[in-house]
Amino acid sequence: AQSVAQPEDQVNVAEGNPLTVKCTYSVSGNPYLFWYVQYPNRGLQFLLKYITGDNLVKGSYGFEAEFNKSQTSFHLKKPSALVSDSALYFCAVRVVSSGSARQLTFGSGTQLTVLP
Amino acid sequence: KAGVTQTPRYLIKTRGQQVTLSCSPISGHRSVSWYQQTPGQGLQFLFEYFSETQRNKGNFPGRFSGRQFSNSRSEMNVSTLELGDSALYLCASSSETGVSTDTQYFGPGTRLTVL
Repeated sequence: AQSVAQPEDQVNVAEGNPLTVKCTYSVSGNPYLFWYVQYPNRGLQFLLKYITGDNLVKGSYGFEAEFNKSQTSFHLKKPSALVSDSALYFCAVRVVSSGSARQLTFGSGTQLTVLP
Repeated sequence: KAGVTQTPRYLIKTRGQQVTLSCSPISGHRSVSWYQQTPGQGLQFLFEYFSETQRNKGNFPGRFSGRQFSNSRSEMNVSTLELGDSALYLCASSSETGVSTDTQYFGPGTRLTVL
């Protein structure tokens, strides 16, 4: 079985400061990892994904994430937070199984608040 | 290219009724997945369709069903609604290039309230 953990329900950061949203995963096999963001009353917007290769993945809106296989982590980062980054962030994992299922398993979400 | 669209955006139903939600994927995308989002359970996978066939199903009762049409549009149906079915129902489409690295792109969701 595959699972994703987002250990922090809430992260607060001051505008202009770097931000980190944590994600750890547990899978049997090679993980495909994704980050999505959700604004109030909206669907999920894709930010970035790790498939293979470079452990540092760059995505939309200045976000990046670092894949760490030994620590089974995929933390989301941004060098300088904006108030508009305030939203709910989800980490997700997909593992290829028989039948090539494409379902994503999501973490519980982290509410990011950027304070002006 | 237009994104994933879902209709209606909001629905209010009463217990025991049934409901049908619709999803139109991004043009050219052939895979459609459905997810349920609730405050208590988070995001949970419902089912996935490709080429009008259900390819995978999550752990939901048989009251939840779906289908996909030849133009890749998809509908999901919930019969005999219960209070616990109140949720945001999200549809996602992907281009189905043959590998599981595809990105799923989500629609805005349908907010279902069961009274």
